[in-house]
Amino acid sequence: SQKIEQNSEALNIQEGKTATLTCNYTNYSPAYLQWYRQDPGRGPVFLLLIRENEKEKRKERLKVTFDTTLKQSLFHITASQPADSATYLCALSGGGADGLTFGKGTHLIIQP
Amino acid sequence: DGGITQSPKYLFRKEGQNVTLSCEQNLNHDAMYWYRQDPGQGLRLIYYSQIVNDFQKGDIAEGYSVSREKKESFPLTVTSAQKNPTAFYLCASSYTGEGYEQYFGPGTRLTVT
Repeated sequence: SQKIEQNSEALNIQEGKTATLTCNYTNYSPAYLQWYRQDPGRGPVFLLLIRENEKEKRKERLKVTFDTTLKQSLFHITASQPADSATYLCALSGGGADGLTFGKGTHLIIQP
Repeated sequence: DGGITQSPKYLFRKEGQNVTLSCEQNLNHDAMYWYRQDPGQGLRLIYYSQIVNDFQKGDIAEGYSVSREKKESFPLTVTSAQKNPTAFYLCASSYTGEGYEQYFGPGTRLTVT
């Protein structure tokens, strides 16, 4: 069955440093990979989408890479700030509007 | 303001009762989705609909039912057949086609005792 793994432990990063989150998947050939941010008690908010034929995508301080050979995506937040503290979810889709398959998320804590 | 709304934010029910969760969007999206989230878990897909009057089961549809009579609305009924209904329920919508992000509502936290 499809499986998505994200860092199961909380990730503590010093303010100003780069935070790197990992998403690994098995038994899946996604057409798209998406990253969402979720704050406690709230719905996820979309951050970035990367297609299977793209290696890297950037948006302001955010960068996503997608390696379909390694079956892995890395999500980077540069110049991290305490306001970046949240849970970050990786989600895969095969294309179309069939719904997303989510990982459990990584809880990121940026310490001042 | 365009967006997706869910109501109520908190819902309490007794075991054995059916309960309906509301989801409305004014984003003109064709596709709508229901997910369930349990503590420390990722979101799991319950049902989705790509067009009015049509919907498909997701990974955990047992004990749930939906309807899609209007483009803007996609209510979810949690029936008494759902063995562990207490959870955080999230509704989302998106354009159909390739590679569109999903917009999520604020969620409904359902507690069944």
